Amino acid sequence: GESVGLHLPTLSVQEGDNSIINCAYSNSASDYFIWYKQESGKGPQFIIDIRSNMDKRQGQRVTVLLNKTVKHLSLQIAATQPGDSAVYFCAEKRKNQGGKLIFGQGTELSVKP
Amino acid sequence: KAGVTQTPRYLIKTRGQQVTLSCSPISGHRSVSWYQQTPGQGLQFLFEYFSETQRNKGNFPGRFSGRQFSNSRSEMNVSTLELGDSALYLCASSLGVGDEKLFFGSGTQLSVL
Repeated sequence: GESVGLHLPTLSVQEGDNSIINCAYSNSASDYFIWYKQESGKGPQFIIDIRSNMDKRQGQRVTVLLNKTVKHLSLQIAATQPGDSAVYFCAEKRKNQGGKLIFGQGTELSVKP
Repeated sequence: KAGVTQTPRYLIKTRGQQVTLSCSPISGHRSVSWYQQTPGQGLQFLFEYFSETQRNKGNFPGRFSGRQFSNSRSEMNVSTLELGDSALYLCASSLGVGDEKLFFGSGTQLSVL
């Protein structure tokens, strides 16, 4: 079926290292992708988004890469900090679907000091 | 600017009861979406409201319903509660037209006993 899935459920990195969180999607009709960060007891927090007409987008310490050929999305976090520890979700939106996002299962990022 | 506000934060109900959850979107946002989050199913889209009209609907039974008021505030209702309805219910708002970024509230944690 159609889904947005994550390759790894958990990721552990050393403080100061770069983190890469991956996501696969199956529907080529998706035209918008978002990464969210969710800390314990809180709702998902918007990190960065990218449209399907782009391959790369950079924010503060984060970069999202989109490979439409293999339907793959990744989030890169530079110089990972303890405050980055959280669950990260990718989500896709299909054209003309308004506020309906399809979320992946999430990757738990753990940053070791 | 205040974020998305959800009330109540926690709720305990018993099977067969009904519940109403409330969401106040970010000022100026006209679209409100609701999501259910469980450990097993992850984040799943319930429905979206825009200008008091349901614009999108997920694959949930008719026991789940919602509405939006003229001030964009939204409520969702679950009738005849089942144990499986225990979840974190998240509300997200967006401008609704031309801007797809969804901003989430902290959610209402519903426990059905």
